[in-house]
Amino acid sequence: DGGITQSPKYLFRKEGQNVTLSCEQNLNHDAMYWYRQDPGQGLRLIYYSQIVNDFQKGDIAEGYSVSREKKESFPLTVTSAQKNPTAFYLCASRAWGASSYNEQFFGPGTRLTVL
Amino acid sequence: GQQLNQSPQSMFIQEGEDVSMNCTSSSIFNTWLWYKQDPGEGPVLLIALYKAGELTSNGRLTAQFGITRKDSFLNISASIPSDVGIYFCAGYGGSQGNLIFGKGTKLSVKP
Repeated sequence: DGGITQSPKYLFRKEGQNVTLSCEQNLNHDAMYWYRQDPGQGLRLIYYSQIVNDFQKGDIAEGYSVSREKKESFPLTVTSAQKNPTAFYLCASRAWGASSYNEQFFGPGTRLTVL
Repeated sequence: GQQLNQSPQSMFIQEGEDVSMNCTSSSIFNTWLWYKQDPGEGPVLLIALYKAGELTSNGRLTAQFGITRKDSFLNISASIPSDVGIYFCAGYGGSQGNLIFGKGTKLSVKP
C-alpha cells in the first residue's frame, strides 16, 4: 500500500528532553511537510522540504529541527527550546513541479504530550 | 499574506439533512482541496478542484471551484452519523506555493 506512516502514534516526553518524530512515505513524492495542530485550531506549518538535503522554515519553526537525507524520510525533532510542544503533529507529502499534482496527502499523526 | 476564511466554524444538524460550507480567499487560487479529519487522525483528501467553475462529486459530497477563483464550496447531501468530523478547505495560489488552510468546519450529526 502506498502512503505516509508516522511513528509513534503517541509520545510522552519529559520537560527538557529532545524527541524525534518519524515520517516515511512511499509515494515517491518530492516535497514533505510538518504541521502542528492544537485543539480547535487549524494547521500551522513548521518545516518543509522540496528536495533531498534541502528544507525551509515554515511559520512556526522555532524550537524544531528537521533533516531530509532520503527522499522517503523527513524526521522532525522537537527540542527542549520549544516552549509549548504538547500538540498533534502531522506529516504530509506532495509531488512537486507539475500543476496537476497539487494534491497533498497526510499521515495519521503523532500526539506528543510533555509531562 | 494569503488568508482563507472558512465558514461556518461549526454545524450541528439532524441526520438526513444537507450540509453546505464554504471558503473564501483574499487572493486568487489555482487549486482548491477539501479534507475531512476524524478525531485523532490525519486529514483525508476528499476532493481536488483545478479549474474555475469546476464542479466535482465524490459520493454524497460535491465541491465547486468558484468562478472568481477566490472561493470554494462543499456540500454534503443526506448526512449520516459517520460524516461527523472537521472539514478543512485548502488552496494554492500557484504550483510552487505551500497550501493555505482554512480553520475548519466542525460537523456534528444527530441521529
